[in-house]
Amino acid sequence: GQQLNQSPQSMFIQEGEDVSMNCTSSSIFNTWLWYKQDPGEGPVLLIALYKAGELTSNGRLTAQFGITRKDSFLNISASIPSDVGIYFCAGPNTGTASKLTFGTGTRLQVTL
Amino acid sequence: DSGVTQTPKHLITATGQRVTLRCSPRSGDLSVYWYQQSLDQGLQFLIQYYNGEERAKGNILERFSAQQFPDLHSELNLSSLELGDSALYFCASSVGGGSYTFGSGTRLTVV
Repeated sequence: GQQLNQSPQSMFIQEGEDVSMNCTSSSIFNTWLWYKQDPGEGPVLLIALYKAGELTSNGRLTAQFGITRKDSFLNISASIPSDVGIYFCAGPNTGTASKLTFGTGTRLQVTL
Repeated sequence: DSGVTQTPKHLITATGQRVTLRCSPRSGDLSVYWYQQSLDQGLQFLIQYYNGEERAKGNILERFSAQQFPDLHSELNLSSLELGDSALYFCASSVGGGSYTFGSGTRLTVV
């Protein structure tokens, strides 16, 4: 089946630093979604990407849909303590378009 | 509040027991999805229902079953529980496909 690999697996950064993470797939996706999961909560949608090459921002977050359609990137600028959490990429499976496959996650820790 | 309601929030039960987790989707959403998240793990898809019918199945154990009722709420039944079933169980809903809205999860602890 389709797999989404995220890197890095975890990050420890200082408040104010910029963060970059990526998600790669062995197959093509037509939609990329980025979710954030706070501790003990369900994932919340941050950004949705629908077109190869698309660059979309949501406040301090910027995500890009890779032109190969096999990858996506998420950047967070000027990190703050509330950015702590797990970031997941996700995309709909081929054949079962409504079912999302989630990436392995990137755990972000922010120190003061 | 995401609009997706899951109950109970926490559940502690013994091995061999059976539990039922409940999910009420966001108003207007016809699809319900169940995911399992073990400690420090990713989200593993279990099963999807659309307007009362099973639509897709993931790596769901035979001891687990689910259904979606006419009012669109869904229940996930876990039986013959084992220690390894301890996890967070999330329900999500969507109109049909595309992005999901997740509930806040049920934390199941099997002792």
